[in-house]
Amino acid sequence: TQLLEQSPQFLSIQEGENLTVYCNSSSVFSSLQWYRQEPGEGPVLLVTVVTGGEVKKLKRLTFQFGDARKDSSLHITAAQPGDTGLYLCAGARGGSNYKLTFGKGTLLTVNP
Amino acid sequence: DTGVSQNPRHKITKRGQNVTFRCDPISEHNRLYWYRQTLGQGPEFLTYFQNEAQLEKSRLLSDRFSAERPKGSFSTLEIQRTEQGDSAMYLCASSLEGFVQGQDEQYFGPGTRLTVT
Repeated sequence: TQLLEQSPQFLSIQEGENLTVYCNSSSVFSSLQWYRQEPGEGPVLLVTVVTGGEVKKLKRLTFQFGDARKDSSLHITAAQPGDTGLYLCAGARGGSNYKLTFGKGTLLTVNP
Repeated sequence: DTGVSQNPRHKITKRGQNVTFRCDPISEHNRLYWYRQTLGQGPEFLTYFQNEAQLEKSRLLSDRFSAERPKGSFSTLEIQRTEQGDSAMYLCASSLEGFVQGQDEQYFGPGTRLTVT
């Protein structure tokens, strides 16, 4: 059973469009991290959210942590081809706070 | 800050051979993690070190796998008698123990791609 469900699994859009990807769970997390991974490389940390309801912005990317700390979303405004990649969410739970549980990711392709 | 480095980046080996991977974490980070990622999946936790102490091992880590972090700096992951099912990307991450539990930020290396033929 996948603890963190990410949707959609695949997303192909045109440059300039907006998009939202989701990360959902039935479990509460003490923190949630979003990563972007390119083929053959390790995940690169984008943001960490820790407070229920928290919203963080990173240029054209907006991250939100759900009030109950069970879900999160990533919104990209005016997507660019350089945004192409696998977006992974990962949660740290209270009892085993040091290890991350990852979703399967959303593979985003932004076409020029 | 040179980031987390891993060597080798790619390893092709024949079934039954032993392989060893190395991870050099960010210098001031006291926590080090190993994850495994297969195609179409997110990384899965394998094991974790705080300084030189190995504090947890996943059930994914069979007795053919062993990890060390002898001086609390670099770490090695060894796989003995490799099997085709061991083919995966092996990722290392490091973090600095956070003031608040569960809020460590883990930084990943580029990974070692293992192919067992």
